[in-house]
Amino acid sequence: KQEVTQIPAALSVPEGENLVLNCSFTDSAIYNLQWFRQDPGKGLTSLLLIQSSQREQTSGRLNASLDKSSGRSTLYIAASQPGDSATYLCAVKRYSTLTFGKGTMLLVSP
Amino acid sequence: NAGVTQTPKFQVLKTGQSMTLQCAQDMNHEYMSWYRQDPGMGLRLIHYSVGAGITDQGEVPNGYNVSRSTTEDFPLRLLSAAPSQTSVYFCASSYSGTALNEKLFFGSGTQLSVL
Repeated sequence: KQEVTQIPAALSVPEGENLVLNCSFTDSAIYNLQWFRQDPGKGLTSLLLIQSSQREQTSGRLNASLDKSSGRSTLYIAASQPGDSATYLCAVKRYSTLTFGKGTMLLVSP
Repeated sequence: NAGVTQTPKFQVLKTGQSMTLQCAQDMNHEYMSWYRQDPGMGLRLIHYSVGAGITDQGEVPNGYNVSRSTTEDFPLRLLSAAPSQTSVYFCASSYSGTALNEKLFFGSGTQLSVL
């Protein structure tokens, strides 16, 4: 059974810092890995998707990497802003199902 | 373009009552799914569908029924609500469910309390 772990569970940083969120998974036979953002009381929004054959994807200040052989992904956020405060979840896909980690709750203070 | 629409946003039930959570998407997606999100447990897949007339169980299907009569709609039925079903429920959809590069789109959730 696929298990997805996210470290740290919570992170508090001052505005402007660069930060890294970590995601690990136990079964490397995946189709892709996605990073999502969830604001309090809201649904999830897909941020980045990395196919299993890819190493990284970038969108603005976000960069996600994937090392499938070691079962790890990182989400790098550059020059963090208070508006980045949210919970970030990673999920791995195989066949028609996604398995989610429990998320990292990020707080960026002004 | 509304995306994935869930109703109701909030619901309180008594133990033993039944209800249906509604989910509709207007993106012509074949794949639709239901998740529940609990503190400390993350999101867990309840049921999913890869097209009209086709459904399958996820990780935590007990106590829930689904059917898919149209491409647009994927309702989730609680037959006899239990306090353990208190949770936030999310519906999500994607184009086919099997493509390597397709993203999953989520609704805004239904917060359900069973007393």
